[in-house]
Amino acid sequence: KQEVTQIPAALSVPEGENLVLNCSFTDSAIYNLQWFRQDPGKGLTSLLLIQSSQREQTSGRLNASLDKSSGRSTLYIAASQPGDSATYLCAVTGTASKLTFGTGTRLQVTL
Amino acid sequence: DAGVIQSPRHEVTEMGQEVTLRCKPISGHDYLFWYRQTMMRGLELLIYFNNNVPIDDSGMPEDRFSAKMPNASFSTLKIQPSEPRDSAVYFCASSLGAGRAGEQFFGPGTRLTVL
Repeated sequence: KQEVTQIPAALSVPEGENLVLNCSFTDSAIYNLQWFRQDPGKGLTSLLLIQSSQREQTSGRLNASLDKSSGRSTLYIAASQPGDSATYLCAVTGTASKLTFGTGTRLQVTL
Repeated sequence: DAGVIQSPRHEVTEMGQEVTLRCKPISGHDYLFWYRQTMMRGLELLIYFNNNVPIDDSGMPEDRFSAKMPNASFSTLKIQPSEPRDSAVYFCASSLGAGRAGEQFFGPGTRLTVL
């Protein structure tokens, strides 16, 4: 059974810092990995999708990498802003098209 | 496109009552997913459909839960009878394709409280 773990569970950084969020998964037989953002009381917003054959994806200040063989992904956020404060979730799509979610990292960017 | 639409956004009901949650996927998407989010268990997949056909309902917790997709633009998740432990946020998501191709887009969720 696929298990997805995110470290750290919570993170607080001052505005302007670069930061890295980590995601690990136990079964490397995945189709893709997706990073989401969730604001309090809101739904999930898709940030980046990395196919299993890809190593990384970039969108603006966000860069996600994938090392499928070691079961790891990182989300790099450059020049963090208070508006980046949210919970970040990673999820992997395995066989049968199911998304398995990680536990999330709650990020707070302070002024 | 308006994205995935869910209704109601909030539902408060009493134990034993029937609850129906509704979802309209993004037009053209052929996969629809129902998830439940709780503090204790995080996000869990309940059931998903492909071209209106249920493919995997192994995540549905009990027979009290049922889901239908009568057409490509509408799905329901029904709980009958509801119990306090069903209190959670229920999300609907849709995608075009699955597996390798399937980036999932989520609706805003329905916050269900069962008293």
